Amino acid sequence: NAGVTQTPKFQVLKTGQSMTLQCAQDMNHEYMSWYRQDPGMGLRLIHYSVGAGITDQGEVPNGYNVSRSTTEDFPLRLLSAAPSQTSVYFCASRTTRPSRPNSPLHFGNGTRLTVT
Amino acid sequence: DQQVKQNSPSLSVQEGRISILNCDYTNSMFDYFLWYKKYPAEGPTFLISISSIKDKNEDGRFTVFLNKSAKHLSLHIVPSQPGDSAVYFCAARIGGSNYKLTFGKGTLLTVNP
Repeated sequence: NAGVTQTPKFQVLKTGQSMTLQCAQDMNHEYMSWYRQDPGMGLRLIHYSVGAGITDQGEVPNGYNVSRSTTEDFPLRLLSAAPSQTSVYFCASRTTRPSRPNSPLHFGNGTRLTVT
Repeated sequence: DQQVKQNSPSLSVQEGRISILNCDYTNSMFDYFLWYKKYPAEGPTFLISISSIKDKNEDGRFTVFLNKSAKHLSLHIVPSQPGDSAVYFCAARIGGSNYKLTFGKGTLLTVNP
């Protein structure tokens, strides 16, 4: 059981470049989300999805796009990277089944992104 | 406005002693609280949780206490072990169909042998 898989593990971009951070989960979780972790800032929610075709903004959505075409995948797109987007990005998922109302979030191991 | 606060960036304890990590929250709508543990170069992993209808939850060496009137929770680790050295994040959720978690900034716990 792979859980939540994030690729790549590391990425260096130049300002203005675009890229997609990949996230896949094999637990059939309905809810998926993206967080960024910055020093002294904790984990901040970027975007989330409660199911295929449904996405919504979190606390810090600017500069990021998401889509959810399948239950398994939830890619995060940076259309024009900026140095302020240098961070560690975590994808997380959980079930929303009523039988498990307090199921915790399961996190991937992160993507460390540097924008120069 | 930070709704979940962990005011101690770091904590150092001796092996075998008790570690107490604290967390305060401001949003009275939060009804479920979780602690996550994070090692370097890994994602956070779930440790223990507590519902607002309880004031204590235990799991082995880990106990979480909730004081709703003070909007305060704490994580106790007894006895502390060197392998417990990690960053600990407090998180909170508003109930119902809201699945979003709000995290604190984390506390780095170092357990010295």
